[in-house]
Amino acid sequence: AQRVTQPEKLLSVFKGAPVELKCNYSYSGSPELFWYVQYSRQRLQLLLRHISRESIKGFTADLNKGETSFHLKKPFAQEEDSAMYYCALSGTGFQKLVFGTGTRLLVSP
Amino acid sequence: GAGVSQSPSNKVTEKGKDVELRCDPISGHTALYWYRQSLGQGLEFLIYFQGNSAPDKSGLPSDRFSAERTGGSVSTLTIQRTQQEDSAVYLCASSLMVNTGELFFGEGSRLTVL
Repeated sequence: AQRVTQPEKLLSVFKGAPVELKCNYSYSGSPELFWYVQYSRQRLQLLLRHISRESIKGFTADLNKGETSFHLKKPFAQEEDSAMYYCALSGTGFQKLVFGTGTRLLVSP
Repeated sequence: GAGVSQSPSNKVTEKGKDVELRCDPISGHTALYWYRQSLGQGLEFLIYFQGNSAPDKSGLPSDRFSAERTGGSVSTLTIQRTQQEDSAVYLCASSLMVNTGELFFGEGSRLTVL
């Protein structure tokens, strides 16, 4: 069974501080991992996917199969990064997407 | 349309009544998903339609919940004999039938059961 765990419900940091949102997963096959973001009064949208190995809005995430983790990182947080972040996983061949419970990131000035 | 459209945006109902929530996916998207978003519960998968294949109903919480997708496009999620614990935001998403993992979400239907 697929499972995604985001241990932090709320992460509060000051502007300019580094950010790491944790995500751990459980899946017996080859996972595909994603981060989705929901800004205030906006729709949930894709932020980045591990297969693309991209950096979006300064965020990066590395898939660590040994630790079954896909933590989201940004070296210097900005106030506009404040949002709800969801980690998501799908199985080989893209089946249904399973989401974690989400972490609210609050960046204070 | 430009994006996934859901209606109604807000629905208040009395316990025991039936409700229908509608989703219009992006034109050409063959995959359609329903999720439930509750406080503290994150995004809970409900059901998944992919083309003409049988839907994956593994996330439906009880037999009071059902969904259909007509003509490979519009989908309706029906909740019969609503309970207070059904109160949540119901999100619909669609995607192309390619292995991208990018789901496009609607704004959701907020259901409140009194």
